[in-house]
Amino acid sequence: QKEVEQNSGPLSVPEGAIASLNCTYSDRGSQSFFWYRQYSGKSPELIMSIYSNGDKEDGRFTAQLNKASQYVSLLIRDSQPSDSATYLCAVNSRGEGKLIFGTGTLLAVQP
Amino acid sequence: EPEVTQTPSHQVTQMGQEVILRCVPISNHLYFYWYRQILGQKVEFLVSFYNNEISEKSEIFDDQFSVERPDGSNFTLKIRSTKLEDSAMYFCASRQGASWGYTFGSGTRLTVV
Repeated sequence: QKEVEQNSGPLSVPEGAIASLNCTYSDRGSQSFFWYRQYSGKSPELIMSIYSNGDKEDGRFTAQLNKASQYVSLLIRDSQPSDSATYLCAVNSRGEGKLIFGTGTLLAVQP
Repeated sequence: EPEVTQTPSHQVTQMGQEVILRCVPISNHLYFYWYRQILGQKVEFLVSFYNNEISEKSEIFDDQFSVERPDGSNFTLKIRSTKLEDSAMYFCASRQGASWGYTFGSGTRLTVV
């Protein structure tokens, strides 16, 4: 059974701080990795995708991938109250089209 | 920015009734998916569709479920005889190619009573 694991949180950070979200996955054949943001009652919204080891930055967001450790993370710099949401880690395995999602981490940014 | 459109946004149906959930994927996308999310739980894969046929389905996607792409733009999910446990948010998603990110629609909240 291919699994994606996340700490459900809540992760509480003060406004302006760095939020660090983590995810591990079980399938070594995984090739594509995604972070989605989901507000309550809404659909997942793509924040970042990463395909190779290392860091990928987009504005306030940085995704980090370590395939040897089967670990993906998302850093949010200068966190804002509007960043408060559930962050979903999703993994796509080689030869498969489906995404496997983690349970998500609830982030609460305190003003 | 192109969107994946889903209708209706909310559907209430009686147990045993058939429902059809509708999706219009982004026009140049080639891969189409249905996912569901039971309240408070993770997003779960149901089915993927490519080149006018199902490419993969999960164990959730049993004989009560079917998908169609009847006219080159719409992508539908039919549940033949709904059960209480089918109550969930159903998300349609599409992507342009095998290495691209997925775009999700806004979802249909299905409530079976």
